[in-house]
This record gives sequence, C-alpha cells and structure tokens, in this order.
Amino acid sequence: KAGVTQTPRYLIKTRGQQVTLSCSPISGHRSVSWYQQTPGQGLQFLFEYFSETQRNKGNFPGRFSGRQFSNSRSEMNVSTLELGDSALYLCASKREGSYGYTFGSGTRLTVV
Amino acid sequence: GESVGLHLPTLSVQEGDNSIINCAYSNSASDYFIWYKQESGKGPQFIIDIRSNMDKRQGQRVTVLLNKTVKHLSLQIAATQPGDSAVYFCAEFYNQGGKLIFGQGTELSVKP
Repeated sequence: KAGVTQTPRYLIKTRGQQVTLSCSPISGHRSVSWYQQTPGQGLQFLFEYFSETQRNKGNFPGRFSGRQFSNSRSEMNVSTLELGDSALYLCASKREGSYGYTFGSGTRLTVV
Repeated sequence: GESVGLHLPTLSVQEGDNSIINCAYSNSASDYFIWYKQESGKGPQFIIDIRSNMDKRQGQRVTVLLNKTVKHLSLQIAATQPGDSAVYFCAEFYNQGGKLIFGQGTELSVKP
C-alpha cells in the first residue's frame, strides 16, 4: 500500500515569500501531523489535523499554518519566509486511536 | 518541561557487535514510546514501540527497555549490520499535546 506522500521533495524560496507544502496520508489515516526538522532544534511538532480541524498546535509563530481537506490530504503554509525556516518538513499520518505514525520522506525547504 | 534527550550523540560499532542507544525522557505521564530510524534523505521509520505498562519488548534483532523509575529508554540492536547505519530517535507520545516529542538523535555508524 502507498505510504505518506509529500510534495515537492525540494524547494528553494527567497526571504519574504510564502510556500505551500502538500501531504497525502496513507489511505484510511485521518490524522495528519507536521514536524519541522533542523540540525539545531531536531524534530519539532508544528500541528495536527483531524477531520479537517486543527486538533493540536506546537509552539510556532502564526506564519505557520495548515489545513486538511475532506479526503484527509493536508497542506501547510509558511508566509513571510525567514532564513531560519530552512528545514526538512515532515508529515506523518495515523489511524485514529492508534499511535502508529507513518512519516513521509519530507520536503526540504531552503530559504535564501 | 517537555523533553526527551539522548545520552550519546554518536555511536560507532563493529559489524556483528551489539549496539545500545540510550534515551532519557521527562514526562512521567507519557504512556507510549517509540524508536525511529532515519536514513539520509528519508523520513523517520518506525522500529519498535513500548507502552508504559511494559518494561521490555522484543522485535527482530531489536529490543526496547523501559525503566520508568529513572525515566530511561534504551534500544538494543543485536548483530549490528552496515544497513543499520542511520540516526536513531526516541520519541514519547505526549497525550496532553497529542504529539510526539523527539529526542535529539544518535548517529549509529557500523564499520564493516
């Protein structure tokens, strides 16, 4: 069965721009979480969506936002990009009631 | 605070030896712990998990030990192979935030 698919794999953006990343979860998985991975901070939780609603949120500024569609696909948006937003953005999905998160391969965002 | 940390950032072992990767966690209320393996260019991949009502769980060549008294988690890999070379993360499921809290990671290098 298909895994978690994230697109695009790589992105280069300029400071001040905005970016949208996409995540398609495993079929049947309605919970989608996003994580930011950097060498300095490691893996940090951004937010979780379930049934098109943000259910949990991490400690990131409001420039980071997301949404989930009725088919459970999710997008995250970062506005007014800063150099420090350069990171690997990971999406993970799971079935409700389980702890079995499956991660995608991530989107590598570089802000120049 | 919420944190899960690793004692050793790097570990180098000889092929065929056993590897032990350690992790300390801070949330005594967490009831689920996971070990992930991350290879270059990929997202974290599930290895093994354990619930807080257990102190040991075994998989294929891997064993996870949980010591709730000292809030310590370890991953043992038997007969380590070159394909085990990767970064290993422990993660704690934080119920109140509905998120995984990751440790900083340990890079395992297996010498042939």
